Amino acid sequence: SSDLTQPPSVSVSPGQTARISCSGDALPKQFASWYQQKPGQAPVLVIYKDTQRPSGVPERLSGSSSGTTVTLTISGVQPDDEADYYCQSADNSASDPVLFGGGTKLIVL
Amino acid sequence: QVLLQESGPGLVQSSETLSLTCSVSGGSISSYYWSWIRQPPGKGLEWIGNVFHGGSTNYSPSLKTRVTISLDTSRTQFSLHLTSVTAADTAVYYCAASPGHTFDYWGQGTLVTVSS
Repeated sequence: SSDLTQPPSVSVSPGQTARISCSGDALPKQFASWYQQKPGQAPVLVIYKDTQRPSGVPERLSGSSSGTTVTLTISGVQPDDEADYYCQSADNSASDPVLFGGGTKLIVL
Repeated sequence: QVLLQESGPGLVQSSETLSLTCSVSGGSISSYYWSWIRQPPGKGLEWIGNVFHGGSTNYSPSLKTRVTISLDTSRTQFSLHLTSVTAADTAVYYCAASPGHTFDYWGQGTLVTVSS
């Protein structure tokens, strides 16, 4: 399958650690990226090449990869982290060059 | 810093063609893949396709029979044409720039509603 699967939502209290997973058969072969999207705004890149942070992204956000799963970890969650998060990768098969996960809503309790 | 701005009609009649343009500033047109991505209201992101300098294109298999993306280097802009639209094509349409498969820069998005 060329799909990327994310949980619909993750809930966490302020100050705790949130982990958002993304699973797919393409992930061992291709890097993944993560995007944060707040209501009414365009997505913003927060992680690329599985673990790399663009400049300006807080160190509280980190990425990891293991087999067919990549994970976005947000440490010390703040109310402003409440947003939708999307993973994205590529599949070099001719059928689907770019893949997005279905998105995960991070709820800060 | 690459800046992207979408423009085009916000309302399209069913069965007609949706046409949008993305104006690019602050970046070299030859350095990126230029993509269109859409998001139906309340739903996730869907990649539509991209174009690279020289005119080579890639399209989503689910849309490729209806989509054309083209690049106008002289005007530093690229365009999306989606034919035979239905209500299912109602979405916020984003243009984006990627050096590879990561979308580093996004436009603000434009809502296109398909009306019957």
